[in-house]
Amino acid sequence: SQTIHQWPATLVQPVGSPLSLECTVEGTSNPNLYWYRQAAGRGLQLLFYSVGIGQISSEVPQNLSASRPQDRQFILSSKKLLLSDSGFYLCAWGRGITEAFFGQGTRLTVV
Amino acid sequence: AQRVTQPEKLLSVFKGAPVELKCNYSYSGSPELFWYVQYSRQRLQLLLRHISRESIKGFTADLNKGETSFHLKKPFAQEEDSAMYYCALGQGGSEKLVFGKGTKLTVNP
Repeated sequence: SQTIHQWPATLVQPVGSPLSLECTVEGTSNPNLYWYRQAAGRGLQLLFYSVGIGQISSEVPQNLSASRPQDRQFILSSKKLLLSDSGFYLCAWGRGITEAFFGQGTRLTVV
Repeated sequence: AQRVTQPEKLLSVFKGAPVELKCNYSYSGSPELFWYVQYSRQRLQLLLRHISRESIKGFTADLNKGETSFHLKKPFAQEEDSAMYYCALGQGGSEKLVFGKGTKLTVNP
């Protein structure tokens, strides 16, 4: 069966520090991978998605970047965090767009 | 541009009453529409997809291309239906999947 792992579950980082959130998928190959930010009143905002290794589509100009160094690994990064980067980040995988499977999320607080 | 609109942030109904969660979309291509649900302390998960024309947990949703809508309906709401509901639009080819802002449904006893 397929599983998705996302870590850490919570993270507190100072302004200006770097960020690396990791997401890995098991039990499938060549999945679509997605990063979303979930915020009250703003719903699920698509940040990045990837259809293959090294292929990243960015949806929202921002202080974040994404990479896919391996088929089942998706990383969300920042060189210098801003206060506005605080939020709940969700990783998801899918076979095509037929169904997306979500991780448990990371609560990021920038202080 | 691809867009999903859920006009209601909050929706409250009594148990046994009908419920309808609204979703409108804008997309120039052929849309693939979904409803996702997030119960308290659980992961976001797929509830149903328009292409399957299925009823899940008593919920149905019909794609109306003329009105560009995909409203979620249930004739008799149950307390366990209380959750956050997201409408989503998928773009085949690019594999982009965008979500609305969500509607929090509360079913009161």
